Amino acid sequence: GESVGLHLPTLSVQEGDNSIINCAYSNSASDYFIWYKQESGKGPQFIIDIRSNMDKRQGQRVTVLLNKTVKHLSLQIAATQPGDSAVYFCAESTGGGNKLTFGTGTQLKVEL
Amino acid sequence: GAVVSQHPSWVICKSGTSVKIECRSLDFQATTMFWYRQFPKQSLMLMATSNEGSKATYEQGVEKDKFLINHASLTLSTLTVTSAHPEDSSFYICSARGDSRKQETQYFGPGTRLLVL
Repeated sequence: GESVGLHLPTLSVQEGDNSIINCAYSNSASDYFIWYKQESGKGPQFIIDIRSNMDKRQGQRVTVLLNKTVKHLSLQIAATQPGDSAVYFCAESTGGGNKLTFGTGTQLKVEL
Repeated sequence: GAVVSQHPSWVICKSGTSVKIECRSLDFQATTMFWYRQFPKQSLMLMATSNEGSKATYEQGVEKDKFLINHASLTLSTLTVTSAHPEDSSFYICSARGDSRKQETQYFGPGTRLLVL
């Protein structure tokens, strides 16, 4: 019989373009946010984090933006490379990074 | 820094047997470790939080007698799936964090894929 599974939101970008992955969170008390990258069959890999007293933080090729007014978080990846292909999860917590609540994830596909 | 390992990386077992998964923080002391479960194409679901030397705190709906967690040292936590059944087949991932402000980020292990026949 046919199997039915969940489908992750997918973002397809051309190699070299910039990627923007969005995340909406629901808990207005959340004060710590993290982006993780998960490749197939592997554990999540830390990318970048941001605290609620900031609205922007930059890393190597990545930038995280936080809009607390609308409870929105985004991850920008500059000059996307094939190695960036993975599922990206945002995670939020209250009280400084203790218990994390993960978003549903976005599949990033980089086309050559 | 902040490397977390898991062993085994995959395991196949018969229904009714118990399986132990180890999670180790290799280059830092982890006062808190977390165990997650992930089904295909889904997000991570927190199962329990364990602090070194104390009992684990389980999330609602997670059977503590089914999923035994031990955090005996600052670098090791174990998850034992007792009397495993096919519905326990999943990807189990641990994470660890230290106790200082600089180490509050959770760092994840590579995961353990469990298949119960």
